Amino acid sequence: GQNIDQPTEMTATEGAIVQINCTYQTSGFNGLFWYQQHAGEAPTFLSYNVLDGLEEKGRFSSFLSRSKGYSYLLLKELQMKDSASYLCAVSDSNYQLIWGAGTKLIIKP
Amino acid sequence: IAGITQAPTSQILAAGRRMTLRCTQDMRHNAMYWYRQDLGLGLRLIHYSNTAGTTGKGEVPDGYSVSRANTDDFPLTLASAVPSQTSVYFCASSTGPLSGANVLTFGAGSRLTVL
Repeated sequence: GQNIDQPTEMTATEGAIVQINCTYQTSGFNGLFWYQQHAGEAPTFLSYNVLDGLEEKGRFSSFLSRSKGYSYLLLKELQMKDSASYLCAVSDSNYQLIWGAGTKLIIKP
Repeated sequence: IAGITQAPTSQILAAGRRMTLRCTQDMRHNAMYWYRQDLGLGLRLIHYSNTAGTTGKGEVPDGYSVSRANTDDFPLTLASAVPSQTSVYFCASSTGPLSGANVLTFGAGSRLTVL
């Protein structure tokens, strides 16, 4: 079966750096997405990786290793507004998105 | 403002009742999707439509139906609601699964409680 694994919850301190991991097993691969979802709100797009390596976008970076079935989202200079759930999703061979359950990130002052 | 509008925002209904969740987008996106989100589970695809006039079943289609009469609208109908359909429902749209990075834009969600 297809599976996306990510930690359920993480805690970090304001101003610090946090890395949220995502491992996947899917039938085919057509890209990996990270979305941010604040409590009670809709998911919003953060990043997309289809080739191996690091994609940097401001304070957020996303890394992909296709051979290891692994990605991480790196958040730098954490702010209180970064408290949210972070969803990992993989596009499979049929271009259908398979979603992880999300990682709830708690930022403490 | 371009985006996706869902209605209602929340609804409580009795088991056995029929319910339609509305979804409208103004971005001229080809593809539209309905997901449900339950605590501890990832987003699960209910139904999708890659273009107006076509629909497909997702991971959890039973008890739900959709139609795509035009580009903008994609209503989701629960023919006879059951308590297990209590969930938050998100409508989403995109340019389409074959357009490179298929980034989804989500509506604000509809919280449905079936008693």
